[in-house]
Amino acid sequence: SQTIHQWPATLVQPVGSPLSLECTVEGTSNPNLYWYRQAAGRGLQLLFYSVGIGQISSEVPQNLSASRPQDRQFILSSKKLLLSDSGFYLCAWTGQGVSYEQYFGPGTRLTVT
Amino acid sequence: GDSVTQMEGPVTLSEEAFLTINCTYTATGYPSLFWYVQYPGEGLQLLLKATKADDKGSNKGFEATYRKETTSFHLEKGSVQVSDSAVYFCALKLRGATNKLIFGTGTLLAVQP
Repeated sequence: SQTIHQWPATLVQPVGSPLSLECTVEGTSNPNLYWYRQAAGRGLQLLFYSVGIGQISSEVPQNLSASRPQDRQFILSSKKLLLSDSGFYLCAWTGQGVSYEQYFGPGTRLTVT
Repeated sequence: GDSVTQMEGPVTLSEEAFLTINCTYTATGYPSLFWYVQYPGEGLQLLLKATKADDKGSNKGFEATYRKETTSFHLEKGSVQVSDSAVYFCALKLRGATNKLIFGTGTLLAVQP
């Protein structure tokens, strides 16, 4: 069966520090991968998605970036965190096809202080 | 543009009460529709889905019917339990290779014993 992992589960970082969040998927190949952010009391905002290795599409301009160095690995990064980067970051995957639903990881709670 | 609108929360109900959470959508194509649930501190889980008009998705006592004429996908449950307390997200997925989801802002449901 397929599983999706995210780490770390929680993170507290000072403003201006770098960020690296990792997401890996097991049990499938060539998934579409997604990064979402959920700010406190808000809905989900799609940040990046990837349909293949090295293929990244950005949905919103910001100081975050994403990379996909391997088929089932998706990394969210920042060189310098802002206070507004605080939130709950969710990784998700989906198979190829019209009716495949997205499966979400457990999330990373990021607090920028 | 494509969007999903959900009723504002929080929704507070007593145990065994009837639940309705309204969801309407705007889409240029012919989307698939989903309800996701997020329990406190966790990622999102797919609750139910419908892929074409008049389809009814159902799971764990929850139901939603894809109404193309009213562009709606309202979530209902006949008798809620305390364990149903969570945030519920309505989402649509347009047909295409990226399988991106567009989410509503979420509705917090609090069920009191």
